[in-house]
Amino acid sequence: EAGVAQSPRYKIIEKRQSVAFWCNPISGHATLYWYQQILGQGPKLLIQFQNNGVVDDSQLPKDRFSAERLKGVDSTLKIQPAKLEDSAVYLCASSARLAGGRDTQYFGPGTRLTVL
Amino acid sequence: AQKVTQAQTEISVVEKEDVTLDCVYETRDTTYYLFWYKQPPSGELVFLIRRNSFDEQNEISGRYSWNFQKSTSSFNFTITASQVVDSAVYFCALGGSARQLTFGSGTQLTVLP
Repeated sequence: EAGVAQSPRYKIIEKRQSVAFWCNPISGHATLYWYQQILGQGPKLLIQFQNNGVVDDSQLPKDRFSAERLKGVDSTLKIQPAKLEDSAVYLCASSARLAGGRDTQYFGPGTRLTVL
Repeated sequence: AQKVTQAQTEISVVEKEDVTLDCVYETRDTTYYLFWYKQPPSGELVFLIRRNSFDEQNEISGRYSWNFQKSTSSFNFTITASQVVDSAVYFCALGGSARQLTFGSGTQLTVLP
């Protein structure tokens, strides 16, 4: 079974530029999550989708971050404009059924973003 | 509010030693779920185990074992006869009625040859 796919793996941009990340979850998984992991910390949830609806985006900085999950499968996360503090690894995860913390989440390899 | 504490920031052991990673959690939920993930240098979080709060049986999988104690709100992870490939950051996480998984800050394990 294929795992969660993410691209690109690495991205370097200048501050105030825009960037987008792509995620393809495990086939059949209804719930998709985007996390931000700053160096030395645990992952922090940004947004979670169940099918193509948003379940929780309370920690998403909506002035600069946006995410969508069209057709309930792939998802994109965008940052516009980027700030220095956005430098982090962006992890995508998916789970089979329930949104939130009850179902096992499987993670992709992440996208390491460096903002200069 | 949910909280996960991994007090050990870094641990270094020599190959073949046993090592225990500590995890202490706080939650008001009566039903909750505990997880351990491994993050090797490649960056991907690898799922290791999921335990339900109503199942306090300890579990062993090869060189890995987990000790879940509700009385002390702990879910510790032991690697027996450690190997260099075990070097990684290990995260404990807690899920429950809250809409998100709460992660600890991680423990960096280094196994020296």
